[in-house]
Amino acid sequence: TQLLEQSPQFLSIQEGENLTVYCNSSSVFSSLQWYRQEPGEGPVLLVTVVTGGEVKKLKRLTFQFGDARKDSSLHITAAQPGDTGLYLCAGMNYGGSQGNLIFGKGTKLSVKP
Amino acid sequence: DSGVTQTPKHLITATGQRVTLRCSPRSGDLSVYWYQQSLDQGLQFLIQYYNGEERAKGNILERFSAQQFPDLHSELNLSSLELGDSALYFCASSVSSGGTYGYTFGSGTRLTVV
Repeated sequence: TQLLEQSPQFLSIQEGENLTVYCNSSSVFSSLQWYRQEPGEGPVLLVTVVTGGEVKKLKRLTFQFGDARKDSSLHITAAQPGDTGLYLCAGMNYGGSQGNLIFGKGTKLSVKP
Repeated sequence: DSGVTQTPKHLITATGQRVTLRCSPRSGDLSVYWYQQSLDQGLQFLIQYYNGEERAKGNILERFSAQQFPDLHSELNLSSLELGDSALYFCASSVSSGGTYGYTFGSGTRLTVV
């Protein structure tokens, strides 16, 4: 069974601080996606990373896919209260009984003004 | 509005009952995925349909079943409900069967079994 471990599980910071959340697995994924979920809503796709070592930037968010395609990180610069939410990483697994996307349990981020 | 519509938004029912959750995928998407989200287990994949056919199955209980209709909407049927079935149920859709470009999720159905 492929598993994605996310850390930390919870993170509470002040507005303006930087933070990094991690997504690790012992399995290789063909690609990895990051989602953000707000209370009462479904996850919303932020980015897909495909190539080992790839770095993608989305405004103040920087996503990196590990060289071996087993891990990923999300770095937020100068966090704002609007960044509050549950950040989920999901690995793309082609075929098999687990379906196509395997989700981590998420990092719950709270940014206080 | 993500384009994926799930109904109902909330559902409260008693143990032993049967319920049906409905999902309309985003226009043009052929794949529908069902996920269960609970506090301790996170998002767990249940089942995928692509253009009317079952494509992949996760840890879906035998008491649960799903189907995708010719108009591509999907229904998830949960029967003989137990307290532990209380959770958020999400439907997601994608253009391809592999979801390479990501999934679009609905807002979910919150099921409470009492």
